[in-house]
Amino acid sequence: GQQVMQIPQYQHVQEGEDFTTYCNSSTTLSNIQWYKQRPGGHPVFLIQLVKSGEVKKQKRLTFQFGEAKKNSSLHITATQTTDVGTYFCATQAGTASKLTFGTGTRLQVTL
Amino acid sequence: EAQVTQNPRYLITVTGKKLTVTCSQNMNHEYMSWYRQDPGLGLRQIYYSMNVEVTDKGDVPEGYKVSRKEKRNFPLILESPSPNQTSLYFCASSLGGVYPVTGELFFGEGSRLTVL
Repeated sequence: GQQVMQIPQYQHVQEGEDFTTYCNSSTTLSNIQWYKQRPGGHPVFLIQLVKSGEVKKQKRLTFQFGEAKKNSSLHITATQTTDVGTYFCATQAGTASKLTFGTGTRLQVTL
Repeated sequence: EAQVTQNPRYLITVTGKKLTVTCSQNMNHEYMSWYRQDPGLGLRQIYYSMNVEVTDKGDVPEGYKVSRKEKRNFPLILESPSPNQTSLYFCASSLGGVYPVTGELFFGEGSRLTVL
């Protein structure tokens, strides 16, 4: 079955530093979504990537889909304390309707 | 306001006592799904539904049942809860559509269940 690995599991940065989380799949993906979950909250959709090599930006966040459509990354430039939370990728492979979530990367940002 | 509503938000129960967690969405979404979240394991799908009367197993369906009699509701039933079902549960919905793209998932606030 489809396996999704997310690294790192946890990262602690100082405010202003950059942060990157990676999502790697064992199979070719049809699309990938990214979600953010604040502490005590529920996952909130950030973005969806569909095309090979696609890059999308949302202010300080940059999302990339690998050329082979097996991996993706989320990069945050100059982190702020409001970026604290767990970031999940969620993937679909082929015609499967199931969305498989990665284990998440917990980001802690301190002043 | 567009939302996914789960009830109860918190529940402590005992082993074997049947319980239902309700989920309702007001966005006319076709796709609904249940997830459980456990430390270090991320979000694991329990059951999902592509439309009314259409349900299918996710990755961890054992010990759970669901039904989709109406488009807006997707209750999660634990017939005989056990301590290993202690978890944080999320219901989610999306517009649905042509395979393979399901679309953005909207999550409920979560239901924290403890089974003693």
